[in-house]
Amino acid sequence: AQRVTQPEKLLSVFKGAPVELKCNYSYSGSPELFWYVQYSRQRLQLLLRHISRESIKGFTADLNKGETSFHLKKPFAQEEDSAMYYCALSSGGYQKVTFGTGTKLQVIP
Amino acid sequence: ETGVTQSPTHLIKTRGQQVTLRCSSQSGHNTVSWYQQALGQGPQFIFQYYREEENGRGNFPPRFSGLQFPNYSSELNVNALELDDSALYLCASSLVFGGPSTDTQYFGPGTRLTVL
Repeated sequence: AQRVTQPEKLLSVFKGAPVELKCNYSYSGSPELFWYVQYSRQRLQLLLRHISRESIKGFTADLNKGETSFHLKKPFAQEEDSAMYYCALSSGGYQKVTFGTGTKLQVIP
Repeated sequence: ETGVTQSPTHLIKTRGQQVTLRCSSQSGHNTVSWYQQALGQGPQFIFQYYREEENGRGNFPPRFSGLQFPNYSSELNVNALELDDSALYLCASSLVFGGPSTDTQYFGPGTRLTVL
């Protein structure tokens, strides 16, 4: 069975401080990992995926297979980063995506 | 390019009733997935339709069923509603070439279902 764990329901940081949103997963095969974001009053949208190895809005995430983690990082938080962040895992030949419970990021001005 | 739309926005039903939720895929997309998001939880995969056929299912009972139409729009039907079915129902569409695989999913705004 596949599982995604986001241990923090709420993460509060000051503007300009580094951000790390934690994500651990459980899956026996080779997963694809994603971060989705939901800004206030907006729909869920893809932020980044590990196979792209890209930085979006200053966020990066590295897949660590040894620690089964895919933490989301940003060196300097901005107020507009305040949102709900979901880590997600996909496996198999179809797009079943397993989501974590989400972490609310609150950036304090 | 039109994004994913869902109807209705909100819906109130009573226990035992049946409900149909609708999703219109983003233009050009051929795959639709449905998710249930209970309050305070992440979305949970219900099932996926690819080229009008069910292509994978999560841990949901058979009273959750769906359809995908030739224009790739989709319906989610839930029979014999239970109180625990109260949730936000999301659909997501994507474009998949040559068969099911993981690709970027574009989510709709959701339908809020309340079961009394």
